[in-house]
Amino acid sequence: NAGVMQNPRHLVRRRGQEARLRCSPMKGHSHVYWYRQLPEEGLKFMVYLQKENIIDESGMPKERFSAEFPKEGPSILRIQQVVRGDSAAYFCASSPGPVSRLYGYTFGSGTRLTVV
Amino acid sequence: AQSVSQHNHHVILSEAASLELGCNYSYGGTVNLFWYVQYPGQHLQLLLKYFSGDPLVKGIKGFEAEFIKSKFSFNLRKPSVQWSDTAEYFCAVNAKNAGNMLTFGGGTRLMVKP
Repeated sequence: NAGVMQNPRHLVRRRGQEARLRCSPMKGHSHVYWYRQLPEEGLKFMVYLQKENIIDESGMPKERFSAEFPKEGPSILRIQQVVRGDSAAYFCASSPGPVSRLYGYTFGSGTRLTVV
Repeated sequence: AQSVSQHNHHVILSEAASLELGCNYSYGGTVNLFWYVQYPGQHLQLLLKYFSGDPLVKGIKGFEAEFIKSKFSFNLRKPSVQWSDTAEYFCAVNAKNAGNMLTFGGGTRLMVKP
């Protein structure tokens, strides 16, 4: 049973380019969460999605960042016009149900974005 | 909104020493509590979780944590650490009835000297 798959593992973008980060949840998991880990900091919640729905995006920057979880295919975190401050590790997690129903998260290995 | 504090940012221990990592949260309601571990270059793995019941929770690899509601704490303990426990440890809180996000502490980097 494959875990949460994220790709690419490492992504280098020049300032102004777009970054697309992909996350395939564990089989049977319909809840996806994106977190960002800045250097020397903990993980910060960004967005929580279910299939075709954004449930909570309270942690997403208002501009340049968007996320989707289509009916088919992986969840995508998209960062437009990247800046150096976007350099971070981006982690995806999934769960079979909401955390409040006794499910914990399973994390992916993360995508390390470097903006040069 | 809830917040999580891990007061020890870096801890250095010798093998066989006992470990206790502090975690305090601020939220007045009912919470679910987690400890995750991140080994160098790897993803976060769940060590243990508390939802209800016995406040002393046993996890993997000999770790345990105790939920003390009156102190808003969920400290992680291990009686005898090994070199392979070198990693970063994150405490996380989910406030029930307040959404499905986990709020993480800033992490504690543990180095165990052989």
